[in-house]
Amino acid sequence: DAGVIQSPRHEVTEMGQEVTLRCKPISGHNSLFWYRQTMMRGLELLIYFNNNVPIDDSGMPEDRFSAKMPNASFSTLKIQPSEPRDSAVYFCASSWDLLSGANVLTFGAGSRLTVL
Amino acid sequence: DQQVKQNSPSLSVQEGRISILNCDYTNSMFDYFLWYKKYPAEGPTFLISISSIKDKNEDGRFTVFLNKSAKHLSLHIVPSQPGDSAVYFCAASENYGGSQGNLIFGKGTKLSVKP
Repeated sequence: DAGVIQSPRHEVTEMGQEVTLRCKPISGHNSLFWYRQTMMRGLELLIYFNNNVPIDDSGMPEDRFSAKMPNASFSTLKIQPSEPRDSAVYFCASSWDLLSGANVLTFGAGSRLTVL
Repeated sequence: DQQVKQNSPSLSVQEGRISILNCDYTNSMFDYFLWYKKYPAEGPTFLISISSIKDKNEDGRFTVFLNKSAKHLSLHIVPSQPGDSAVYFCAASENYGGSQGNLIFGKGTKLSVKP
């Protein structure tokens, strides 16, 4: 398996533009997570899907952020309009949420977003 | 308010010596703890974990210790190697009726192992 695949790896855009980040989870994993990493806040959970259904989006900073998971093999995180403070590395992760096991996440390589 | 805290942003250790990375948590409902390692330009990768029913878990050069009464865990790396230089994240989760909840991460500690 190629692991969790994220695109683009780097995105530079201007304030006000729409940004779409993409993620392909590991085949067979039924949980998908979007995290954001910044120097100030570290790794913070934005949203979590289980079986393609959003379970917890309390970490989404504001209405400018939205995430979808139309099927088990694809998810998007959209920022519209983007602002300079959205500059960060965005990670997608997936896991097989075993009922009696641990939630070990497998992360993608991340998408580094710079909003000018 | 941070539920998982790594109070040391960085740590420098000589090759061959022990590295000790610390992590504190505030939520007494956390019952599963993990350490992730992250190299530059890569995503975090799982390193080692421990359940709250244990106080120690060992995997090769890596050992995690859990002190539930102090709400403290630590990662020991011995002997440290230059390839261990990375950012280490502590993470914790609760158990919701048998299913693990979301992972809450600390801010990370950057470990530098000098040859």
